[in-house]
Amino acid sequence: QQQVKQSPQSLIVQKGGISIINCAYENTAFDYFPWYQQFPGKGPALLIAIRPDVSEKKEGRFTISFNKSAKQFSLHIMDSQPGDSATYFCAASIHRSGATNKLIFGTGTLLAVQP
Amino acid sequence: EPEVTQTPSHQVTQMGQEVILRCVPISNHLYFYWYRQILGQKVEFLVSFYNNEISEKSEIFDDQFSVERPDGSNFTLKIRSTKLEDSAMYFCASKWTPVYMDTQYFGPGTRLTVL
Repeated sequence: QQQVKQSPQSLIVQKGGISIINCAYENTAFDYFPWYQQFPGKGPALLIAIRPDVSEKKEGRFTISFNKSAKQFSLHIMDSQPGDSATYFCAASIHRSGATNKLIFGTGTLLAVQP
Repeated sequence: EPEVTQTPSHQVTQMGQEVILRCVPISNHLYFYWYRQILGQKVEFLVSFYNNEISEKSEIFDDQFSVERPDGSNFTLKIRSTKLEDSAMYFCASKWTPVYMDTQYFGPGTRLTVL
């Protein structure tokens, strides 16, 4: 119930293409869904996040699509660039009163954008 | 921009030895976390800390682990008697408030190698 499932495990995209990473969850108590980007040797850094009362959030080339009924959310990277090559983690947490807001991470997607 | 810092960047130790991993969270943050990432796997929650006490811990965080905020700036993770399976990247994270959608900021991590 606390798991977040992420796919694909790895992804190769041509420069200028669209990268799509998918996540699914079971626990309907989750109410915050961030995506983190991690470069080798660095800690995860927040990329974009969404709340479940919104179906889509866009920031620049990055868009989260959220399907509450299907309990799925996805990250779309438009016009993918070689600098986007990194590992991407979806995550979920609960923000009710008293909750610790711990992040439950997906298994990660290694994205390689080829020039 | 304020950032979470961690020392050392890499720690090598013998099995059975005690290690202390150090973190300096962002200065006005009140909520602190430790996560770990075994090589090639997902980031896993270990423990959260608020108001000088543990607010939640995972099943990984057994009696061999402890956390402390010894002064106003440092946040430490101690492993009393390290095991081979403790080898991982350990990330400290902090956030300012429990407010919905407030971001957890991650440090660069400490790579722990247990021989």
